[in-house]
Amino acid sequence: DSGVTQTPKHLITATGQRVTLRCSPRSGDLSVYWYQQSLDQGLQFLIQYYNGEERAKGNILERFSAQQFPDLHSELNLSSLELGDSALYFCASSVKQGEAGNTIYFGEGSWLTVV
Amino acid sequence: SQKIEQNSEALNIQEGKTATLTCNYTNYSPAYLQWYRQDPGRGPVFLLLIRENEKEKRKERLKVTFDTTLKQSLFHITASQPADSATYLCALYDYKLSFGAGTTVTVRA
Repeated sequence: DSGVTQTPKHLITATGQRVTLRCSPRSGDLSVYWYQQSLDQGLQFLIQYYNGEERAKGNILERFSAQQFPDLHSELNLSSLELGDSALYFCASSVKQGEAGNTIYFGEGSWLTVV
Repeated sequence: SQKIEQNSEALNIQEGKTATLTCNYTNYSPAYLQWYRQDPGRGPVFLLLIRENEKEKRKERLKVTFDTTLKQSLFHITASQPADSATYLCALYDYKLSFGAGTTVTVRA
């Protein structure tokens, strides 16, 4: 158990809908990361927050947004969902701002299926 | 563009043998390189970190080398066991932690 908690574990929704994925980082961790993993794309970095502020952004679609709250938990919002958004979404956390060499700890992921 | 390339094919080996995985990168100047293990449907788990000034790092039956001239890291699993069967991911940090596609290892008993 990494200490990173993600909910829900599984989610099935229709195209065009909006969903929110939630993440509680390890106790004391200030940085939260979101990754998307699909069969054909591998593990893709979406976005990172540190202590409530956005720190780094990857190839995150405009339909997707995220935030980190004062209690350090984070939410990833996915809207106008398309079939291609079906994937496993991981949250990860670490203590320091993503310095090179810093280990990050992954949650077990949220499986999103868009039908 | 930046690329992280790992053995594209799955690796099938006999129990007790050594598995060697390759990670090549282009257009990165990483100070660190990391290896993670991922089991099906689970989150990646950190295994080893090696710094640019380190040639080799060991942890139990795992060994990692890092050649910044060749822009390559090798990951070895010695005395492999069926429990080592998993996908192994190489990761590099620039302003974000980027992962290779991974190499799936299957160890036959």
